[in-house]
Amino acid sequence: GAGVSQSPSNKVTEKGKDVELRCDPISGHTALYWYRQSLGQGLEFLIYFQGNSAPDKSGLPSDRFSAERTGGSVSTLTIQRTQQEDSAVYLCASSTLTATDTQYFGPGTRLTVL
Amino acid sequence: GQNIDQPTEMTATEGAIVQINCTYQTSGFNGLFWYQQHAGEAPTFLSYNVLDGLEEKGRFSSFLSRSKGYSYLLLKELQMKDSASYLCAVAHLLGGYNKLIFGAGTRLAVHP
Repeated sequence: GAGVSQSPSNKVTEKGKDVELRCDPISGHTALYWYRQSLGQGLEFLIYFQGNSAPDKSGLPSDRFSAERTGGSVSTLTIQRTQQEDSAVYLCASSTLTATDTQYFGPGTRLTVL
Repeated sequence: GQNIDQPTEMTATEGAIVQINCTYQTSGFNGLFWYQQHAGEAPTFLSYNVLDGLEEKGRFSSFLSRSKGYSYLLLKELQMKDSASYLCAVAHLLGGYNKLIFGAGTRLAVHP
């Protein structure tokens, strides 16, 4: 079946502009996660959604970052007033919350802030 | 706090065996994942260990010792396509879900 999809695959923006990144999780997966991966670094947790529960936003680095998940499926990560340090690959993952709770990742959006 | 350590880089020869180690310190441990990530691509799931011991899956095996906070990924009969980064991630049970804490990854280069 279809995996996690993300769009756009690449985004180049100017400092100070807002950007929106989209994630379509695997159908039937109730949990959705956003991560950020800077060049040569590990994955940094940003936010977690599960059903109708309040999201875990503990990883969002500043109030310029926000995310929403509509209808328990598609999610959008918004970065306002982008800064050069926001340049990274933004990865989305989804899971079914079984005992293993394996997360399956999308291909990511490479964001470059000039 | 959470701390995951793994070597930054390793090299190995095609056909050989390589072991990638991962040590961790965490509370609420709920398992350890290994992911493979080729350059420019998404991480893909390799293995999950929650109990002590060795899990074998084809050419790849993963080991866990919870008392030592230690895991390793063993790759046998290395192929050129195994050149990738290998990410160790510890699952930290938080509010009913597995919050994954990732190490920085080990970049493996396989040479002919």
